[in-house]
Amino acid sequence: AIRMTQSPSSFSASTGDRVTITCRASQGISSYLAWYQQKPGKAPKLLIYAASTLQSGVPSRFSGSGSGTDFTLTISCLQSEDFATYYCQQYYSYPVTFGGGTKVEIK
Amino acid sequence: EVQLVESGGGVVRPGGSLRLSCAASGFTFDDYGMSWVRQAPGKGLEWVSGINWNGGSTGYADSVKGRFTISRDNAKNSLYLQMNSLRAEDTALYHCARDVEYSGYDSWGQGTLVTVSS
Repeated sequence: AIRMTQSPSSFSASTGDRVTITCRASQGISSYLAWYQQKPGKAPKLLIYAASTLQSGVPSRFSGSGSGTDFTLTISCLQSEDFATYYCQQYYSYPVTFGGGTKVEIK
Repeated sequence: EVQLVESGGGVVRPGGSLRLSCAASGFTFDDYGMSWVRQAPGKGLEWVSGINWNGGSTGYADSVKGRFTISRDNAKNSLYLQMNSLRAEDTALYHCARDVEYSGYDSWGQGTLVTVSS
């Protein structure tokens, strides 16, 4: 199975900050990568697919980049509603796998 | 509006069985693949199983292979997960999700809780 490694696992930030989360695949996955946001008690929400395509309705402050094995999710100007846990997911091959998650907390 | 509603969770003893269901509405069900994703209490997301639009192709996580079976009934707009030989480590909230080909999972249900305990 392809292993997805996210970093950091958690960090603190302030509103207005630019934040970057990284995700590394144990083997090449082309651009078959998605990013999700999850808030406590809620189902995950798709933010980005195909590594860099913004899902409809997602604010433009979210962006994704990368291909092959290294990917990033960037939030250009952190808002209060962005404090949550973020997961990457590869859907290049079965079994589909998720990263361990990155929790973004308020500083 | 796309809706996915899971049911069938509950408390079961180790070695027991449960069948989860996911009722879909608001979209043409047989246009999409579907998946089950679980989340143990306080833990991250774990993909469990996926199925293509007509049930002809399925996949499983190594942790459930041989114990769980995914299926669908397009006439009933429903997705299922038959879970046998349940273990304590299967305790989790189980979500169904709509799989948009090459585009991730764009809709999720709120989940049904499975607790495996003696």
